[in-house]
Amino acid sequence: DAKTTQPTSMDCAEGRAANLPCNHSTISGNEYVYWYRQIHSQGPQYIIHGLKNNETNEMASLIITEDRKSSTLILPHATLRDTAVYYCIAVLLPSGSARQLTFGSGTQLTVLP
Amino acid sequence: GAVVSQHPSWVICKSGTSVKIECRSLDFQATTMFWYRQFPKQSLMLMATSNEGSKATYEQGVEKDKFLINHASLTLSTLTVTSAHPEDSSFYICSARDAGGSGEKLFFGSGTQLSVL
Repeated sequence: DAKTTQPTSMDCAEGRAANLPCNHSTISGNEYVYWYRQIHSQGPQYIIHGLKNNETNEMASLIITEDRKSSTLILPHATLRDTAVYYCIAVLLPSGSARQLTFGSGTQLTVLP
Repeated sequence: GAVVSQHPSWVICKSGTSVKIECRSLDFQATTMFWYRQFPKQSLMLMATSNEGSKATYEQGVEKDKFLINHASLTLSTLTVTSAHPEDSSFYICSARDAGGSGEKLFFGSGTQLSVL
């Protein structure tokens, strides 16, 4: 799996968009970019994933650069409950097989009132 | 979405005792489950991969005789910490893949905080 690099911490004002960057410059063509978050003392929660195209769901948007070397997770209207550690993970996911996720250090996002 | 139930949420035990942690997939079948450990202010570290009906695969440095894993059914995997010691105190988390799905999402349990006195 390609290594990912994320800032250690970020702050965001409540109600504003939170933009969390992730660098994955060595990602291969078949590796997906996944985002999970972990609220303190809880298990990780799936947010979104993508391969090449930008993705959006009810939680967030994922913007992947054209060269796929970096991506940005966007929480459009951050709330205090979005305070968590956010993990960006690149993983090769062959169809039909289970694959563990390797977690890096992640970004501690703190949403400020 | 799929739910993974993990119990207990927290447990305190005396040194030398054994503790069993359960991980259940509630609305899907999971042929594979993963067990992670997380120390304070650190990221999740994979301990082992649990496969239904076969022996678990352990990561380097994880003692298989100390961390017993049983995956007897498609919805249940258990992790038993045998002869627990204070250094085993940690946050243990399981995850599972929906065998009937595309495999694109892994679902995580809520974690078990183990404190060994």
